Amino acid sequence: DAGVTQSPTHLIKTRGQQVTLRCSPKSGHDTVSWYQQALGQGPQFIFQYYEEEERQRGNFPDRFSGHQFPNYSSELNVNALLLGDSALYLCASSQKRLVLQYFGPGTRLTVL
Amino acid sequence: GQQLNQSPQSMFIQEGEDVSMNCTSSSIFNTWLWYKQDPGEGPVLLIALYKAGELTSNGRLTAQFGITRKDSFLNISASIPSDVGIYFCAGPPGAGSYQLTFGKGTKLSVIP
Repeated sequence: DAGVTQSPTHLIKTRGQQVTLRCSPKSGHDTVSWYQQALGQGPQFIFQYYEEEERQRGNFPDRFSGHQFPNYSSELNVNALLLGDSALYLCASSQKRLVLQYFGPGTRLTVL
Repeated sequence: GQQLNQSPQSMFIQEGEDVSMNCTSSSIFNTWLWYKQDPGEGPVLLIALYKAGELTSNGRLTAQFGITRKDSFLNISASIPSDVGIYFCAGPPGAGSYQLTFGKGTKLSVIP
């Protein structure tokens, strides 16, 4: 039973660039949520995708956008990167938007 | 926004000792989740609680849903070195919310 997978594991970008992160949910799951985790903090909710639509959004600017594909996988896009966007980006999957969410290993983004 | 307060922030214990940590909120939660995160990895779900007063175990871990619905507790019995990590409480902030709000975590160190 494959768990949540994310790619890439690490990424280094410079300010102003754009980045795309990818997530495949756990087998049998149809909902994907994205979180940002700064060093020493708990994860912060970015947004959730279900049935290929953004269903709920946290307090993040429009530079953060996403997409969900028919196979339930998802992408997180961040435009005009800032130094403060450096963080661990976590993807979590669940069934039918249930709060029982299972996390992937994360993508470590460093913005220089 | 919704805040979850975890205490203690960090703790050092001897191998074999029992551990207690808690999580409090200023408002009611309908679900409490406990996760463990190892350095550089995603959070791993330990226990889910759905009902006030509920006591649930997972091996040496026991968690309780506080009767006020504003707190939750996690106990680890007979700690071992692999219990080292950061423990997070999380829950959906309000009815109809599908996102998770996280505390800042309790960092556990086990001295062999």
